[in-house]
Amino acid sequence: ELQVVESGGGLVQPGGSLRLSCVASGFVYSSHWMAWVRQAPGKGLEWVANINQDGSQIYYVDSVKGRFTISRDNAKNSLFLQMNSLRDEDTAIYYCARDSRGVFGPWGQGTLVTVSS
Amino acid sequence: EVVLTQSPGTLSLSPGERATLSCRASQSVLNLAWYQQRPGQGPRLLIYGTSSRATGIPDRFSGSGSGTDFTLTVSRLEPEDFAMYYCQQYGSPPRTFGQGTKVEI
Repeated sequence: ELQVVESGGGLVQPGGSLRLSCVASGFVYSSHWMAWVRQAPGKGLEWVANINQDGSQIYYVDSVKGRFTISRDNAKNSLFLQMNSLRDEDTAIYYCARDSRGVFGPWGQGTLVTVSS
Repeated sequence: EVVLTQSPGTLSLSPGERATLSCRASQSVLNLAWYQQRPGQGPRLLIYGTSSRATGIPDRFSGSGSGTDFTLTVSRLEPEDFAMYYCQQYGSPPRTFGQGTKVEI
């Protein structure tokens, strides 16, 4: 079964940092692009970042450039999102997803990040 | 950036009825996908490439359209189909999503 499981969310103060993780199974992880997509409370979906198979191509939405870093460990079927200088507007559920030429799936259950003082 | 506008915001229907959801793009898009999201769950891919069903998706779900106007149709609503639906374009970076349509009983 294709599956991704996110972890690492929590409550953090504005300006703080958090590192999200995602473990994938059921497919050849090292052969696929991967992505992070977020959903603010009660809102729609927003693509955040994606990374190619060997980490040599990385893209971010403008609002997180310079603050977030996406990375991966193919030996551990894992994807990461290092989030620094967090802002209130970064509060969201963060989803990990396989990125198949722009189409996302499977998705996990997500991990909630709350930025608040 | 391509802006996707979904309509209606909410669709109130009964099981067995047909649902027609619209997604309009601010400029012509090459590739469109549809996702379903049930409460408390992550999204699930339904349709990609405008009209291709993802693995395991029942044939009551169908997608159509081109250019700037796209449609997701659910031919006969089942109880599990009452959920949020999002369109997403992936032909022009950055990938963008519509704001969603809620299909409710």
